[in-house]
Amino acid sequence: QVQLVESGGGVVQPGRSLRLSCAASGFTFSTYGIHWVRQAPGKGLEWVALISYDGGKKYYADSVKGRFTISRDNSKNTLYLQMNSLRAEDTAVYYCAKDGKQYCSGGNCYFFDSWGQGTLVTVSS
Amino acid sequence: DIQMTQSPSSLSASVGDRVTITCRASQSINNYLNWYQQKPGKAPKLLIYAASSLQSGVPSRFSGSGSGTDFTLTISNLHPEDFATFYCQQSHTIPLTFGGGTKVEIK
Repeated sequence: QVQLVESGGGVVQPGRSLRLSCAASGFTFSTYGIHWVRQAPGKGLEWVALISYDGGKKYYADSVKGRFTISRDNSKNTLYLQMNSLRAEDTAVYYCAKDGKQYCSGGNCYFFDSWGQGTLVTVSS
Repeated sequence: DIQMTQSPSSLSASVGDRVTITCRASQSINNYLNWYQQKPGKAPKLLIYAASSLQSGVPSRFSGSGSGTDFTLTISNLHPEDFATFYCQQSHTIPLTFGGGTKVEIK
Protein backbone atom coordinates (compact mmCIF):
# COMPACT_ATOMS: atom_id res chain seq x y z
CA GLN A 1 0.00 0.00 0.00
CA VAL A 2 1.44 3.32 -1.09
CA GLN A 3 2.07 5.70 1.78
CA LEU A 4 3.47 9.22 1.77
CA VAL A 5 3.98 10.98 5.08
CA GLU A 6 4.99 14.64 5.22
CA SER A 7 6.67 16.28 8.21
CA GLY A 8 8.52 19.44 9.11
CA GLY A 9 5.75 22.01 8.93
CA GLY A 10 5.24 24.67 11.56
CA VAL A 11 5.17 28.39 12.25
CA VAL A 12 8.11 30.39 10.93
CA GLN A 13 8.87 34.10 10.66
CA PRO A 14 9.08 35.82 7.28
CA GLY A 15 12.54 35.53 5.76
CA ARG A 16 13.41 32.38 7.68
CA SER A 17 13.86 28.84 6.40
CA LEU A 18 12.14 25.49 6.84
CA ARG A 19 12.74 22.01 5.47
CA LEU A 20 9.91 19.63 4.73
CA SER A 21 10.29 15.88 4.41
CA CYS A 22 8.13 13.23 2.76
CA ALA A 23 8.73 9.61 3.75
CA ALA A 24 7.57 7.08 1.17
CA SER A 25 6.70 3.42 1.45
CA GLY A 26 4.75 0.75 -0.37
CA PHE A 27 6.26 1.33 -3.81
CA THR A 28 9.65 1.46 -5.53
CA PHE A 29 10.48 5.05 -4.65
CA SER A 30 13.51 5.31 -6.96
CA THR A 31 11.39 4.72 -10.06
CA TYR A 32 8.86 7.54 -9.60
CA GLY A 33 9.00 11.28 -9.89
CA ILE A 34 7.58 13.10 -6.88
CA HIS A 35 5.92 16.50 -6.64
CA TRP A 36 5.16 19.09 -4.00
CA VAL A 37 1.72 20.68 -4.27
CA ARG A 38 0.42 23.30 -1.85
CA GLN A 39 -2.92 24.73 -0.85
CA ALA A 40 -3.30 28.06 0.91
CA PRO A 41 -6.07 28.20 3.53
CA GLY A 42 -9.46 28.19 1.80
CA LYS A 43 -7.86 28.30 -1.65
CA GLY A 44 -7.20 25.96 -4.57
CA LEU A 45 -4.29 23.72 -5.41
CA GLU A 46 -0.93 25.04 -6.63
CA TRP A 47 1.85 22.87 -8.04
CA VAL A 48 5.18 23.80 -6.47
CA ALA A 49 7.96 21.51 -7.69
CA LEU A 50 8.86 18.19 -9.30
CA ILE A 51 11.92 16.00 -9.06
CA SER A 52 12.49 13.15 -11.50
CA TYR A 53 12.85 9.57 -10.33
CA ASP A 54 16.64 9.75 -10.33
CA GLY A 55 16.91 13.33 -9.09
CA GLY A 56 18.45 14.42 -12.37
CA LYS A 57 15.68 16.85 -13.32
CA LYS A 58 14.04 19.45 -11.13
CA TYR A 59 11.30 21.90 -12.02
CA TYR A 60 9.75 24.73 -10.03
CA ALA A 61 6.80 27.09 -10.09
CA ASP A 62 7.85 30.68 -10.76
CA SER A 63 6.45 31.68 -7.36
CA VAL A 64 9.14 29.63 -5.55
CA LYS A 65 12.00 29.51 -8.05
CA GLY A 66 15.28 30.60 -6.48
CA ARG A 67 13.89 30.22 -2.92
CA PHE A 68 12.83 26.56 -2.72
CA THR A 69 14.93 23.49 -3.51
CA ILE A 70 13.53 20.01 -4.06
CA SER A 71 15.74 16.99 -3.47
CA ARG A 72 15.49 13.29 -2.74
CA ASP A 73 17.45 10.49 -1.11
CA ASN A 74 16.53 7.27 -2.84
CA SER A 75 18.49 5.24 -0.27
CA LYS A 76 16.15 6.59 2.43
CA ASN A 77 12.95 6.70 0.33
CA THR A 78 12.60 10.33 1.31
CA LEU A 79 11.78 13.56 -0.52
CA TYR A 80 12.70 17.01 0.74
CA LEU A 81 11.71 20.61 0.17
CA GLN A 82 14.12 23.24 1.44
CA MET A 83 12.24 26.52 1.73
CA ASN A 84 14.28 29.71 2.17
CA SER A 85 13.30 33.38 2.33
CA LEU A 86 9.77 32.43 3.31
CA ARG A 87 6.95 34.89 2.71
CA ALA A 88 3.46 35.21 4.13
CA GLU A 89 2.08 34.01 0.79
CA ASP A 90 3.89 30.69 1.24
CA THR A 91 1.48 29.86 4.07
CA ALA A 92 -0.25 26.65 2.99
CA VAL A 93 -0.69 22.95 3.49
CA TYR A 94 2.12 21.26 1.57
CA TYR A 95 1.45 17.85 0.03
CA CYS A 96 3.88 15.46 -1.57
CA ALA A 97 2.38 13.50 -4.43
CA LYS A 98 3.64 10.69 -6.62
CA ASP A 99 3.76 10.57 -10.43
CA GLY A 100 1.21 8.36 -12.09
CA LYS A 101 3.74 6.22 -13.93
CA GLN A 102 7.26 4.97 -13.46
CA TYR A 103 10.23 6.64 -15.15
CA CYS A 104 8.05 9.58 -16.15
CA SER A 105 9.50 12.03 -18.63
CA GLY A 106 6.50 13.73 -20.08
CA GLY A 107 2.97 14.93 -19.72
CA ASN A 108 1.29 11.58 -20.02
CA CYS A 109 2.34 10.77 -16.46
CA TYR A 110 2.52 14.11 -14.66
CA PHE A 111 -0.59 13.37 -12.66
CA PHE A 112 -0.75 12.61 -8.95
CA ASP A 113 -2.04 9.17 -8.12
CA SER A 114 -1.10 9.14 -4.43
CA TRP A 115 -0.86 11.99 -1.95
CA GLY A 116 0.37 12.45 1.58
CA GLN A 117 -1.83 13.86 4.31
CA GLY A 118 -0.13 17.26 4.11
CA THR A 119 1.86 19.42 6.51
CA LEU A 120 0.90 22.99 7.39
CA VAL A 121 3.43 25.77 6.99
CA THR A 122 2.50 29.12 8.51
CA VAL A 123 4.68 32.13 7.77
CA SER A 124 3.92 34.85 10.28
CA SER A 125 5.69 37.27 12.55
CA ASP B 1 1.63 29.20 -18.40
CA ILE B 2 -1.49 27.26 -19.38
CA GLN B 3 -4.57 28.64 -17.63
CA MET B 4 -7.27 26.20 -16.59
CA THR B 5 -10.80 27.54 -16.17
CA GLN B 6 -13.46 25.46 -14.44
CA SER B 7 -17.17 26.07 -14.48
CA PRO B 8 -19.27 26.40 -12.53
CA SER B 9 -17.32 27.38 -9.42
CA SER B 10 -20.08 25.81 -7.32
CA LEU B 11 -23.31 23.96 -7.81
CA SER B 12 -26.12 22.50 -5.74
CA ALA B 13 -27.42 19.06 -6.58
CA SER B 14 -29.46 16.24 -5.10
CA VAL B 15 -28.59 12.62 -4.53
CA GLY B 16 -29.25 10.76 -7.76
CA ASP B 17 -28.64 13.76 -10.00
CA ARG B 18 -26.38 13.78 -13.02
CA VAL B 19 -23.68 16.43 -12.59
CA THR B 20 -21.38 17.88 -15.23
CA ILE B 21 -18.32 20.03 -14.58
CA THR B 22 -16.36 21.62 -17.39
CA CYS B 23 -12.71 22.61 -17.65
CA ARG B 24 -11.21 24.73 -20.41
CA ALA B 25 -7.50 25.12 -21.15
CA SER B 26 -6.02 28.33 -22.54
CA GLN B 27 -4.31 26.30 -25.28
CA SER B 28 -4.49 22.76 -26.60
CA ILE B 29 -3.33 20.14 -24.11
CA ASN B 30 -4.26 17.07 -26.19
CA ASN B 31 -5.72 14.66 -23.62
CA TYR B 32 -3.33 15.58 -20.79
CA LEU B 33 -6.11 16.45 -18.38
CA ASN B 34 -6.72 14.94 -14.95
CA TRP B 35 -9.52 15.25 -12.39
CA TYR B 36 -9.33 15.14 -8.58
CA GLN B 37 -11.87 15.11 -5.76
CA GLN B 38 -11.09 16.77 -2.45
CA LYS B 39 -13.10 16.59 0.76
CA PRO B 40 -12.62 19.10 3.59
CA GLY B 41 -9.43 18.55 5.55
CA LYS B 42 -8.29 15.73 3.28
CA ALA B 43 -5.78 15.35 0.47
CA PRO B 44 -7.08 15.31 -3.10
CA LYS B 45 -7.87 11.97 -4.69
CA LEU B 46 -7.24 11.14 -8.35
CA LEU B 47 -10.44 10.25 -10.23
CA ILE B 48 -9.62 10.46 -13.92
CA TYR B 49 -6.33 10.74 -15.81
CA ALA B 50 -5.60 11.30 -19.50
CA ALA B 51 -9.03 12.90 -19.87
CA SER B 52 -11.05 9.69 -19.76
CA SER B 53 -9.15 6.92 -17.97
CA LEU B 54 -10.76 5.92 -14.70
CA GLN B 55 -8.28 5.53 -11.84
CA SER B 56 -8.29 2.12 -10.20
CA GLY B 57 -10.86 1.86 -7.42
CA VAL B 58 -12.90 4.87 -8.54
CA PRO B 59 -16.61 4.14 -9.06
CA SER B 60 -17.80 3.91 -12.65
CA ARG B 61 -20.35 6.69 -12.10
CA PHE B 62 -17.42 9.05 -12.64
CA SER B 63 -16.42 9.63 -16.24
CA GLY B 64 -14.34 12.12 -18.18
CA SER B 65 -14.29 13.26 -21.78
CA GLY B 66 -12.75 15.83 -24.06
CA SER B 67 -9.56 16.70 -25.86
CA GLY B 68 -7.75 19.78 -27.04
CA THR B 69 -9.06 22.61 -24.88
CA ASP B 70 -12.47 21.50 -23.61
CA PHE B 71 -13.06 18.76 -21.05
CA THR B 72 -15.91 17.42 -18.94
CA LEU B 73 -16.23 15.46 -15.72
CA THR B 74 -19.59 13.74 -15.29
CA ILE B 75 -21.01 12.09 -12.21
CA SER B 76 -23.90 10.02 -13.50
CA ASN B 77 -25.76 9.29 -10.27
CA LEU B 78 -24.68 11.51 -7.40
CA HIS B 79 -24.07 9.64 -4.14
CA PRO B 80 -23.99 11.29 -0.70
CA GLU B 81 -20.23 10.72 -0.47
CA ASP B 82 -19.64 12.63 -3.74
CA PHE B 83 -20.24 16.05 -2.22
CA ALA B 84 -16.81 17.63 -2.40
CA THR B 85 -14.66 20.02 -4.42
CA PHE B 86 -13.39 18.88 -7.80
CA TYR B 87 -10.27 20.13 -9.57
CA CYS B 88 -8.95 19.67 -13.08
CA GLN B 89 -5.19 19.70 -13.76
CA GLN B 90 -3.23 19.85 -17.00
CA SER B 91 -0.14 17.68 -17.35
CA HIS B 92 0.84 18.87 -20.82
CA THR B 93 3.33 21.56 -19.86
CA ILE B 94 5.36 22.53 -16.82
CA PRO B 95 4.40 24.48 -14.79
CA LEU B 96 1.56 22.09 -14.10
CA THR B 97 -1.62 24.03 -13.39
CA PHE B 98 -4.99 23.40 -11.77
CA GLY B 99 -8.41 24.81 -12.35
CA GLY B 100 -9.93 26.91 -9.61
CA GLY B 101 -12.20 24.14 -8.37
CA THR B 102 -15.91 23.30 -8.42
CA LYS B 103 -17.67 22.80 -5.11
CA VAL B 104 -20.56 20.36 -5.31
CA GLU B 105 -23.01 20.98 -2.49
CA ILE B 106 -26.19 19.30 -1.33
CA LYS B 107 -29.40 20.93 -2.53
